[in-house]
Amino acid sequence: AQSVTQPDIHITVSEGASLELRCNYSYGATPYLFWYVQSPGQGLQLLLKYFSGDTLVQGIKGFEAEFKRSQSSFNLRKPSVHWSDAAEYFCAVGPSNFGNEKLTFGTGTRLTIIP
Amino acid sequence: DVKVTQSSRYLVKRTGEKVFLECVQDMDHENMFWYRQDPGLGLRLIYFSYDVKMKEKGDIPEGYSVSREKKERFSLILESASTNQTSMYLCASTPAGAGAHELFFGSGTQLSVL
Repeated sequence: AQSVTQPDIHITVSEGASLELRCNYSYGATPYLFWYVQSPGQGLQLLLKYFSGDTLVQGIKGFEAEFKRSQSSFNLRKPSVHWSDAAEYFCAVGPSNFGNEKLTFGTGTRLTIIP
Repeated sequence: DVKVTQSSRYLVKRTGEKVFLECVQDMDHENMFWYRQDPGLGLRLIYFSYDVKMKEKGDIPEGYSVSREKKERFSLILESASTNQTSMYLCASTPAGAGAHELFFGSGTQLSVL
């Protein structure tokens, strides 16, 4: 069975600093990978996704993620965070031959930004 | 702009009550989903629907049922609410097609069962 791990429950960074949120997955083949963001009081919004091809994917709000098959990771990065990036971030993994009903979400990483 | 609307942002109910959570999408999406979000557990799929009057169980369907009478509306029903159903409930939709798609989420309903 597939699984996804977000090892960091809570991360605090200073505004303007770089950010990396970790995501590790377990799946037998190449999965579909997603990062979603949830701002306070809101639903989740897609930041970026990886299906195939270039392993470095660009998303919205200046985020990027790199798929590393050898490490089973899909870490999210941003070179310089803004106060508005404070939110909860979810990594999700799904098999390539199924729909969203087989998507597995991580437990989330809460990001706090200090001025 | 795409929109998934959940009828209530906050809901307080008593144990044993029948509870309806409503979700409407205006994107003409075929697929709709109900998730439950709990701290430390992430999102877990309760039920999903790929067509009108069609429903499939997700990972945690016990204690819940759903209804999809119209394409744009997907209702989650708690037949007899219990305190362990206190949670954030998120509705989402996607278009039809093979593979996983971007999920469009509503803002969620925070349900408290007392």
